Amino acid sequence: KAGVTQTPRYLIKTRGQQVTLSCSPISGHRSVSWYQQTPGQGLQFLFEYFSETQRNKGNFPGRFSGRQFSNSRSEMNVSTLELGDSALYLCASSLTSGSKEDTQYFGPGTRLTVL
Amino acid sequence: DQQVKQNSPSLSVQEGRISILNCDYTNSMFDYFLWYKKYPAEGPTFLISISSIKDKNEDGRFTVFLNKSAKHLSLHIVPSQPGDSAVYFCAAEDNYGQNFVFGPGTRLSVLP
Repeated sequence: KAGVTQTPRYLIKTRGQQVTLSCSPISGHRSVSWYQQTPGQGLQFLFEYFSETQRNKGNFPGRFSGRQFSNSRSEMNVSTLELGDSALYLCASSLTSGSKEDTQYFGPGTRLTVL
Repeated sequence: DQQVKQNSPSLSVQEGRISILNCDYTNSMFDYFLWYKKYPAEGPTFLISISSIKDKNEDGRFTVFLNKSAKHLSLHIVPSQPGDSAVYFCAAEDNYGQNFVFGPGTRLSVLP
């Protein structure tokens, strides 16, 4: 079974631009979560989508948004990029949402650099 | 305010010996804890988890211990192998499923 895929793998943008990242979950998985990883902050939860609905949201500004499509693929958008948005953005999928026994499977991440 | 702390940024252990990675949390609403391993250029991989109703969970070379009164958990790897060299993240989830928090990670180096 193919794993979680994320595109693009690397991205360079300038301040003020916007960016869209894509995540394709494991086939059959309906929950997709997004995380930001930075050296100083570690992994921070952005939001979770399940059946095209945002179920949970972390403590990030409104510049960070996402959506999920009917095929469970998800996109994350960051508008008005800031230097501090440079990070590895990870997507994780799981079968369902809210079940603690469900393992999250992570993708390889998208490395975003904001210049 | 970090709700999940891993106070050791790095740890070096000799091959064959025990690796002990520690994690502390502050939110008493956390009731499920997970450990992930992360290699460079890859996403985190789930290792082992423990529910707050247990104080120990074992899976092969990996054992997680939970001390609820101290709000502390630890991951033991016995015996450590060079392939275990990675960054280990502790994560915690609350009983509403609303709050899922990772620690900053500990870089483990297993020396041959």
